[in-house]
Amino acid sequence: AQRVTQPEKLLSVFKGAPVELKCNYSYSGSPELFWYVQYSRQRLQLLLRHISRESIKGFTADLNKGETSFHLKKPFAQEEDSAMYYCALSGDRDDKIIFGKGTRLHILP
Amino acid sequence: NAGVTQTPKFQVLKTGQSMTLQCAQDMNHNSMYWYRQDPGMGLRLIYYSASEGTTDKGEVPNGYNVSRLNKREFSLRLESAAPSQTSVYFCASTQGSSGANVLTFGAGSRLTVL
Repeated sequence: AQRVTQPEKLLSVFKGAPVELKCNYSYSGSPELFWYVQYSRQRLQLLLRHISRESIKGFTADLNKGETSFHLKKPFAQEEDSAMYYCALSGDRDDKIIFGKGTRLHILP
Repeated sequence: NAGVTQTPKFQVLKTGQSMTLQCAQDMNHNSMYWYRQDPGMGLRLIYYSASEGTTDKGEVPNGYNVSRLNKREFSLRLESAAPSQTSVYFCASTQGSSGANVLTFGAGSRLTVL
């Protein structure tokens, strides 16, 4: 069975400090991993996906198959990064896409 | 270009009442999804439809039914609402296995069951 685990419900970080949101997954095949973000009063939207290997708004995430992790990182937090972040997994056997429980990131001034 | 449209945005029901949440997308996507969002529980998949004419159970399907009416529309029905179904419901769509699996979400429907 596929599973996505985000161990932190809330993460508070000072502005300018580094951010790391953890995501671990369980899947026996070749998954595709995503980070979605939900800003206040906005729709859920894609932040980045592992196959793109791109940096969006200063965030990066590397898929580590050995540790089954896809942690989201940003070297210097900004106040506008405050939001709810969800890690998601899409498997290679069907079209099911599941999410973790989410981490609320709060950037302190 | 409206993307994914959900109706209604808000609904209050009494226990035992039924209702249908409607979802439509105009992006010619193959796959559509229904999720519920609850504090501390994240987004949980209720049902999904990989293509017109097919539906599959997700993580929490009990108490719900779905219909993929055509390629554009995917409805979620609560036959006998329970307080445990109080939640925010999100519809989403994606191109599916033939292309990128990036989800486009609707604005959400907030349902309260008294």
